[in-house]
Amino acid sequence: DVKVTQSSRYLVKRTGEKVFLECVQDMDHENMFWYRQDPGLGLRLIYFSYDVKMKEKGDIPEGYSVSREKKERFSLILESASTNQTSMYLCASSEHRGGASDTQYFGPGTRLTVL
Amino acid sequence: LAKTTQPISMDSYEGQEVNITCSHNNIATNDYITWYQQFPSQGPRFIIQGYKTKVTNEVASLFIPADRKSSTLSLPRVSLSDTAVYYCLVGAGSARQLTFGSGTQLTVLP
Repeated sequence: DVKVTQSSRYLVKRTGEKVFLECVQDMDHENMFWYRQDPGLGLRLIYFSYDVKMKEKGDIPEGYSVSREKKERFSLILESASTNQTSMYLCASSEHRGGASDTQYFGPGTRLTVL
Repeated sequence: LAKTTQPISMDSYEGQEVNITCSHNNIATNDYITWYQQFPSQGPRFIIQGYKTKVTNEVASLFIPADRKSSTLSLPRVSLSDTAVYYCLVGAGSARQLTFGSGTQLTVLP
């Protein structure tokens, strides 16, 4: 089974702090994704990566950056956390082209609260 | 980019068949239809995927009419453990087309 792990289940940070969310997958997948999930809005794609050191913006990249130095690891960075970034963050990976026709495997999520 | 519309919520009773419909009027020729299930405090997980007609696996069936402008996820004889949010996702080979809708909260009652 594919396993996608996220570094924290719950995180509390203060406004202005730099926040790192880490995601690791163990199936040698090419593609990795970061989503945020908010009530009534479903999942919204923040960034994705289709190869090491490659990244592309999703629908809501503002206020976020990402890093993919190794194939199995994809990090989401909040340079200066703000209260409107309080959310559930979900990481996912997929094997092939990375589109909607490709099965995505999700991690358990990190619930981030910014005070 | 195919936008999807699903009911916000549905209630059912144990043992019943549940059908959740997703509308995707501007689906493109290459787009697939995929459904995910999400339990509280977990990430979504893949249930089923189809392109046309009918697909069935051990968990669910997916019905897609000829015009492909909608699809219906069918869960046979639901149990309490099927209470979850169900997402319909439409798209093809580009991650730029990844748009999950708001999902349908299915509540199975005893």
